[in-house]
Amino acid sequence: GQQLNQSPQSMFIQEGEDVSMNCTSSSIFNTWLWYKQDPGEGPVLLIALYKAGELTSNGRLTAQFGITRKDSFLNISASIPSDVGIYFCAGPSGGSNYKLTFGKGTLLTVNP
Amino acid sequence: KAGVTQTPRYLIKTRGQQVTLSCSPISGHRSVSWYQQTPGQGLQFLFEYFSETQRNKGNFPGRFSGRQFSNSRSEMNVSTLELGDSALYLCASSLTGNTQYFGPGTRLTVL
Repeated sequence: GQQLNQSPQSMFIQEGEDVSMNCTSSSIFNTWLWYKQDPGEGPVLLIALYKAGELTSNGRLTAQFGITRKDSFLNISASIPSDVGIYFCAGPSGGSNYKLTFGKGTLLTVNP
Repeated sequence: KAGVTQTPRYLIKTRGQQVTLSCSPISGHRSVSWYQQTPGQGLQFLFEYFSETQRNKGNFPGRFSGRQFSNSRSEMNVSTLELGDSALYLCASSLTGNTQYFGPGTRLTVL
């Protein structure tokens, strides 16, 4: 099946720094989703991308849908302590928009 | 609008038992999907229901089943529990498919 390779696996940064993480696939995706998960909670949708080349922002977060449709990037600017969590990329797979495949996640730690 | 709710939040069972988890989607959302999250395998798709019908299914054994009611609420059932079934079970609802909104999950521990 389709797999999403997410990197880096973890990041430890200082408050105020910018962060970049990415997700790649050997298959084409028609949608890229970025979620954040806090401990003990469900993933929260941050940004949804629907078109190759699309660049979308949500506050300090910016995500891009790669033009090859096989990758996506998430950037966080001026990180703050509450950015701590696990960030997942996801996309519909198996021929259905309702069946999401997830990356393994990037664990972000922000040092105040 | 209220988000996706899941009950119970925590559950402890022993091997061989069965368990039923419940999910109430966002009002107006007719699609409900279930995912299993474990440290080793990450988030894996279990199945998706729409208008009381299972439309999509992941690669899980038949011990995992689900259903959806006419009000879009959904339940999933795991029979003959195994230690490896210990996981966070997440429910997500969707209006249009691509974007899914998750509940807080049910943490199942099998002893």
